[in-house]
Amino acid sequence: NAGVMQNPRHLVRRRGQEARLRCSPMKGHSHVYWYRQLPEEGLKFMVYLQKENIIDESGMPKERFSAEFPKEGPSILRIQQVVRGDSAAYFCASSTAGNQPQHFGDGTRLSIL
Amino acid sequence: DQQVKQNSPSLSVQEGRISILNCDYTNSMFDYFLWYKKYPAEGPTFLISISSIKDKNEDGRFTVFLNKSAKHLSLHIVPSQPGDSAVYFCAASVGTSGSRLTFGEGTQLTVNP
Repeated sequence: NAGVMQNPRHLVRRRGQEARLRCSPMKGHSHVYWYRQLPEEGLKFMVYLQKENIIDESGMPKERFSAEFPKEGPSILRIQQVVRGDSAAYFCASSTAGNQPQHFGDGTRLSIL
Repeated sequence: DQQVKQNSPSLSVQEGRISILNCDYTNSMFDYFLWYKKYPAEGPTFLISISSIKDKNEDGRFTVFLNKSAKHLSLHIVPSQPGDSAVYFCAASVGTSGSRLTFGEGTQLTVNP
């Protein structure tokens, strides 16, 4: 019974490159959430998706960031033209519909050189 | 605007004693509250939750108390064990289904043998 799977666990990019972070939700979960944790801070909500739909993207930076959760395959968080300030741990969570808590993956640690 | 606050960045207790972690919130729309535990380099692990229609929820060694009038919740761990040493995050949401979580900054709990 696999949990939320995120890959890669660590990602190093140079300024200006693109970063792609992947998240496979728990089996049976149709809701996916992305959170970002900057050093010494709590987790901050970025985006909430269901299959093929973005439900709430109010936490996403206006530029360079996008997310998708296609009909088939994992959810992708994409960061274009990365900058040093994008260095953080990015966590994905999933849940079923209804009164159930969100379960988190182990995150992707993004480092920008 | 920090809507969920954990005012104690750290807490140290002796093994076998009670650990009490506190959390305050400002948004009166929050009606679902959760506690997560996080080890370094791992994702948050769900511990326990409480709906605003209750004032207490218990699960084994963990009990969460909610005081709606004070906008305050607490997590009690009895008895504390060295393996409980981790960062504890309080989180809140409006509704339980498909809702973004707002996290506190976390409290580092250290349980000394």
